[in-house]
Amino acid sequence: QKEVEQDPGPLSVPEGAIVSLNCTYSNSAFQYFMWYRQYSRKGPELLMYTYSSGNKEDGRFTAQVDKSSKYISLFIRDSQPSDSATYLCATVPMQGGKLIFGQGTELSVKP
Amino acid sequence: SQTIHQWPATLVQPVGSPLSLECTVEGTSNPNLYWYRQAAGRGLQLLFYSVGIGQISSEVPQNLSASRPQDRQFILSSKKLLLSDSGFYLCAWGGGNYGYTFGSGTRLTVV
Repeated sequence: QKEVEQDPGPLSVPEGAIVSLNCTYSNSAFQYFMWYRQYSRKGPELLMYTYSSGNKEDGRFTAQVDKSSKYISLFIRDSQPSDSATYLCATVPMQGGKLIFGQGTELSVKP
Repeated sequence: SQTIHQWPATLVQPVGSPLSLECTVEGTSNPNLYWYRQAAGRGLQLLFYSVGIGQISSEVPQNLSASRPQDRQFILSSKKLLLSDSGFYLCAWGGGNYGYTFGSGTRLTVV
């Protein structure tokens, strides 16, 4: 079993839709969670960063962590064609160290 | 501010030729540095990481090697490229709980 599981998609939605991207993880020691956005032929860029459980909002983006179910989510409201990218979740144990990435979900927002 | 430079952006090399990809970081000292490979439609595969000059850890046995001759310089090399070495190579710095910053990547095609 992979430490972080993420559905690779692809996911296609119409412009304006609410997008939900999800990951599950297996190790309860993970405390820090991140979402990266990667445009085609570019390096990933850090989009959202959360610690432990709860929600974090940044504009149209909301990151949610549910440690009881080991589930992390990224919600995109009013999705735009410019949101079309691959989204990767990542986590790291409380003790620090190397990030563990999900497979990435390819998102396409159609105008 | 910290920046990471990676070059070249695109590279086409024949099978059996050598490879050298360079990554440099500015604005920080003693960074943790990472080399990743990303195959088309696939997740990130950690190849090497380094916590200091001359300190290289290999994650996956392969046809590649890495070196860190200076604090903020990380080099990925191969003596003889294979077709299977084709992919998108990403350098990153950072680590622990606060995520990584990625370079813009090198798209390598071995022909």
